[in-house]
Amino acid sequence: EDKVVQSPLSLVVHEGDTVTLNCSYEVTNFRSLLWYKQEKKAPTFLFMLTSSGIEKKSGRLSSILDKKELSSILNITATQTGDSAIYLCAVYNFNKFYFGSGTKLNVKP
Amino acid sequence: DAGVIQSPRHEVTEMGQEVTLRCKPISGHNSLFWYRQTMMRGLELLIYFNNNVPIDDSGMPEDRFSAKMPNASFSTLKIQPSEPRDSAVYFCASSQSLSSGANVLTFGAGSRLTVL
Repeated sequence: EDKVVQSPLSLVVHEGDTVTLNCSYEVTNFRSLLWYKQEKKAPTFLFMLTSSGIEKKSGRLSSILDKKELSSILNITATQTGDSAIYLCAVYNFNKFYFGSGTKLNVKP
Repeated sequence: DAGVIQSPRHEVTEMGQEVTLRCKPISGHNSLFWYRQTMMRGLELLIYFNNNVPIDDSGMPEDRFSAKMPNASFSTLKIQPSEPRDSAVYFCASSQSLSSGANVLTFGAGSRLTVL
């Protein structure tokens, strides 16, 4: 059965901390892995990763894919309260997008 | 582009009533997905269409749920009769099927359904 597992399920940190969110997958015919941020509305796209070892970066957020380990990490440095959200990982295999259950990040001032 | 447009944004109805949720995908996107999100179960894929054709409806909970896509710019998700356990946020999302596989799923704002 195809699945995507995220860890931790929830995380509480203080502003300025660095966090690492994990995503592992078992999906046949892997094509890409995507990260989304969901605040109190629809998920919004952050990154798409297709190749191992190539870091994608946007400001304080970065992500990398390891196709050998079937996993990806999302790093957030110098966290801010505005980073508080659910972070979703999804894997696309030419048919569907398989979503993990998400990591709920709470950044305290 | 206006993005994926869903309506209504909020719906409160009574058990047994019919509910119809609507979606307009991004122009040029040929894949459309309906998801349901609850605290308990997270994001669940209900059904998806490629080029207006339903490809996989294995996630549709039961016969009370039905979805149609009569053309490339419109889709509906219908629940009849509705039950309290159907209360959730329903997202429509669309993507462009690229041969590279580098597809990005874009979500609508969601329809929050409450069945009393």
